[in-house]
Amino acid sequence: GQNIDQPTEMTATEGAIVQINCTYQTSGFNGLFWYQQHAGEAPTFLSYNVLDGLEEKGRFSSFLSRSKGYSYLLLKELQMKDSASYLCAVYQTGANNLFFGTGTRLTVIP
Amino acid sequence: GAVVSQHPSWVICKSGTSVKIECRSLDFQATTMFWYRQFPKQSLMLMATSNEGSKATYEQGVEKDKFLINHASLTLSTLTVTSAHPEDSSFYICSARLGTGELFFGEGSRLTVL
Repeated sequence: GQNIDQPTEMTATEGAIVQINCTYQTSGFNGLFWYQQHAGEAPTFLSYNVLDGLEEKGRFSSFLSRSKGYSYLLLKELQMKDSASYLCAVYQTGANNLFFGTGTRLTVIP
Repeated sequence: GAVVSQHPSWVICKSGTSVKIECRSLDFQATTMFWYRQFPKQSLMLMATSNEGSKATYEQGVEKDKFLINHASLTLSTLTVTSAHPEDSSFYICSARLGTGELFFGEGSRLTVL
């Protein structure tokens, strides 16, 4: 089985940096994904980590520690359009699907 | 890049009628597609895994006779909500997986049952 935890809601100021944490427990791990989802829209891919360390992609970075079952998504230079839900998803060994956390609803304020 | 297209984006139907939602992979062949349901302010919940040429695999608690899935080709899977009721109103999203493991999502279909 799997258990994926994220904070439900976060608020941050435009131009600031925010870190969204995700912890997971799974019987087999084969990668972790982060997706962004705006209200009423389908999720869009942000990042994929399978090895420990930091992956940087523009304003967004994602970190993974497999030994700790921990990941975070770092958003820099926040913009109003970054207000969205951020979904952490784990790809389980042997399974043919991603298992999603409940998502973190980020609100960026001026 | 890989694209998954879903149709219709919005559908309103009367209680008791059936609604069909299509999911197509446009740039690649997908032997497996996934159907999710998402209620307001909640995360994606996997309903079923659609396998080309064979029966779909349903998650626990999902009625296979109510949510009919057909995956007749490598680029098309359909979800039919039969005898829809207001509690079936939701956002339905399909996805398809590349060999790299990355999931691409369709645009989603918002179903409202009156």
